[in-house]
Amino acid sequence: GESVGLHLPTLSVQEGDNSIINCAYSNSASDYFIWYKQESGKGPQFIIDIRSNMDKRQGQRVTVLLNKTVKHLSLQIAATQPGDSAVYFCAEKRGFQKLVFGTGTRLLVSP
Amino acid sequence: DAGVIQSPRHEVTEMGQEVTLRCKPISGHDYLFWYRQTMMRGLELLIYFNNNVPIDDSGMPEDRFSAKMPNASFSTLKIQPSEPRDSAVYFCASSSDWSQPQHFGDGTRLSIL
Repeated sequence: GESVGLHLPTLSVQEGDNSIINCAYSNSASDYFIWYKQESGKGPQFIIDIRSNMDKRQGQRVTVLLNKTVKHLSLQIAATQPGDSAVYFCAEKRGFQKLVFGTGTRLLVSP
Repeated sequence: DAGVIQSPRHEVTEMGQEVTLRCKPISGHDYLFWYRQTMMRGLELLIYFNNNVPIDDSGMPEDRFSAKMPNASFSTLKIQPSEPRDSAVYFCASSSDWSQPQHFGDGTRLSIL
């Protein structure tokens, strides 16, 4: 949906744990989804993307899962490290329409 | 490889002044995007270019905002006159194709007093 964030939801985990960040998207016709990581004072950094013809895609320590039935996207981070602390945004797009960013989730990793 | 480069990183100016933000996209990328990020509204697309041509400027808030892309390696976003409500972080992003990920610069933090 449209990005609104005034109060970001926060996920707090211990170093070494696995993290799961969830995102509900609004447009059932969206065919492209992407996760970004944004650290303080920096721009959003591309993590991983997935197209609607896939349910799962893996990267280095990250996995994105797409459930089109319930319009849900998740980002799994394995063995979370302090350097993973950041705000994570999902975004969706349909065809040639613009990318629409979610609210964002703050991930806090404690050593 | 050099990423998207934005300048200045920070800009503080008084209301009424002209502000010019600059962006150098990743070489070979045909798409360039300007976004604005605020706490209240999150990330908003202002305008994007394809092959130096503005395609969609529907996100530009007012006539005080204008953007140009004179060549494939340079774009500007100008605000004239600036107002305090324009204070935000402005990001530039580029992508090689519409279907490929957008890569963002580190933004310009703009404060209008």
